[in-house]
This record gives sequence, C-alpha cells and structure tokens, in this order.
Amino acid sequence: GAVVSQHPSRVICKSGTSVKIECRSLDFQATTMFWYRQFPKKSLMLMATSNEGSKATYEQGVEKDKFLINHASLTLSTLTVTSAHPEDSSFYICSAKTSGSTDTQYFGPGTRLTVL
Amino acid sequence: QKEVEQDPGPLSVPEGAIVSLNCTYSNSAFQYFMWYRQYSRKGPELLMYTYSSGNKEDGRFTAQVDKSSKYISLFIRDSQPSDSATYLCAMSVGTNAGKSTFGDGTTLTVKP
Repeated sequence: GAVVSQHPSRVICKSGTSVKIECRSLDFQATTMFWYRQFPKKSLMLMATSNEGSKATYEQGVEKDKFLINHASLTLSTLTVTSAHPEDSSFYICSAKTSGSTDTQYFGPGTRLTVL
Repeated sequence: QKEVEQDPGPLSVPEGAIVSLNCTYSNSAFQYFMWYRQYSRKGPELLMYTYSSGNKEDGRFTAQVDKSSKYISLFIRDSQPSDSATYLCAMSVGTNAGKSTFGDGTTLTVKP
C-alpha cells in the first residue's frame, strides 16, 4: 500500500516552454501533497505544500507564479513549471500524506526535468 | 545552524558489517522520526518510523530515538550491497501540516 506515482519520469524541453508534472496517490487518499526539488547529491528542498481544494503554501524563495501547483482531487496534484529555463533543470519529487495519521510521507519516484 | 544535522559521509563498509547512521537535531518539539532510503535517481522510500523516544526493530534495521540527547540512529545489521543508497533522516512536530524536516542524507556503500 501507500504507492505514489509521478508522470512523466523524465522530460526534456526547450527554454521558454511549460512543463506539467503529475503526482498521484494510487491506493490512498492524500489530503496533503508536498513538492520537493533535489539537486545532485543534495537533500530534498521543500518547494510547497499542497492541500486538496485549497491554494498551495509555498516555501520562502519559491516563486508561486513560476511553479504552479494544483491539488484537484484527493489523489492528484500537479506541478507546472512555467516558462522553464535551464536553471530549472532538476529532479522534482512529490510526496503524499494521508489524513489524520502520522507525519510519514510516501514519495513518488521523481521526475527529471532537463531544460535546454 | 540547521535544525537537523546529518553527516553526509560517504560511508563505505564491507558486506556483513553493522552500519550506524546518525542525526542530531535542535528542535525539542520534534515527536515523529523517520528514516528514508533513496537509491540513485529514485524517490525516497520510507524505511522506519518512530514516535517519541525508544527503539524500533524491523528485520535488519533498528531505529533508536533519544529525545533527551536530541539524537537518532539507524542501525543496519548484516549489511548487503543492496543497502548501498543515501539514507535520509526526517522528523516532524506532528501537526496536521505534516511538514517534515530532512537531514542532508548519508551516502552508504556496502562493498561485496
């Protein structure tokens, strides 16, 4: 149980285009999803917390107009990187948390974004 | 100073060795303590979860929490090459927000 999927697993795009990454909880309802960014050999950097039916809460320094997050249902959250630039190239990972339980998070497999 | 400190390693051990991974923290409000394993280019996988102080064992893995010292450990017995990964500690205060604070991760290599 507690499986989280991400799609796509890898994407290469041209500078200036927008990229959408989907995060789905496959076998549980996720009231809260988190989006992280991870640079090579570095730890997870929390970008935003996404709650179903409400606006995402962004961490300090993360541009909310650049990284659009939508938590449309209890099993789906999307991250859209708008007008992507090479410096946005990174490994993006989502995680999901069930409601009313522990603070354990279940992570997706990650999406590697490369912006040319 | 970071809220959670974790030695990044790298740590290299021979197969069969006992591995000790550690994290220290400064926020005494942390109540939930997790260990995640992350293979290269993959998302983290939850290994162990502990609430408050004490020990928890699961197969070859043992998690220890000492809240008085603000120190947590993960022990791996009879380490295997397949244990080679980055291990992340994480902790939270246990609110509905569910945000966890992560260590930077320790990279472990188990040599056959």
